[in-house]
Amino acid sequence: GEEVAQTPKHLVRGEGQKAKLYCAPIKGHSYVFWYQQVLKNEFKFLISFQNENVFDETGMPKERFSAKCLPNSPCSLEIQATKLEDSAVYFCASSQFRPTSYNSPLHFGNGTRLTVT
Amino acid sequence: SQQGEEDPQALSIQEGENATMNCSYKTSINNLQWYRQNSGRGLVHLILIRSNEREKHSGRLRVTLDTSKKSSSLLITASRAADTASYFCATTVDTDKLIFGTGTRLQVFP
Repeated sequence: GEEVAQTPKHLVRGEGQKAKLYCAPIKGHSYVFWYQQVLKNEFKFLISFQNENVFDETGMPKERFSAKCLPNSPCSLEIQATKLEDSAVYFCASSQFRPTSYNSPLHFGNGTRLTVT
Repeated sequence: SQQGEEDPQALSIQEGENATMNCSYKTSINNLQWYRQNSGRGLVHLILIRSNEREKHSGRLRVTLDTSKKSSSLLITASRAADTASYFCATTVDTDKLIFGTGTRLQVFP
């Protein structure tokens, strides 16, 4: 498709429950990025993929967060044993080429709002 | 750690006026990009300026980049109510991840 599609739009989980978020990148885009936005401000980088391979995972809290991008499936971000502080909007973005390449902006989905109660 | 700081944090203007937002960053960059976020939506790419460029235009947008001061500005001319949004600068360094600034909330009153 021509848009990055994220599902679900909203997700509510009790503390300690698992949360799984999905992202379908734009067809033909090789790079996928996950960002966390708390309180409508800072976008915190979590992880990026080049096709199905992890490209950069320096932002991932590895104890509870995991992510995958498998062929012919939406990418996913999973949070085991959610905490209150995980409440945020999680954005997925895709790009055709590496962001350091000229004219290769990121295309963002509309996000999944996760509320942990 | 966060790369970019933006100011002002919030800006309110009347339709037809110009809006200027500034972004400062900390390390050397490959390029700098500006994005817009409407309420409840994802980021939309506006313009990209490479580290060897000093100024770029796109419609009513004008971006400048001063690598010696590690700063950039975004000028929106003849603003419209539809420009009301948050604006973020973002830099790429060698690792390819985009690092975002703190954002400027722009309110344009009709």
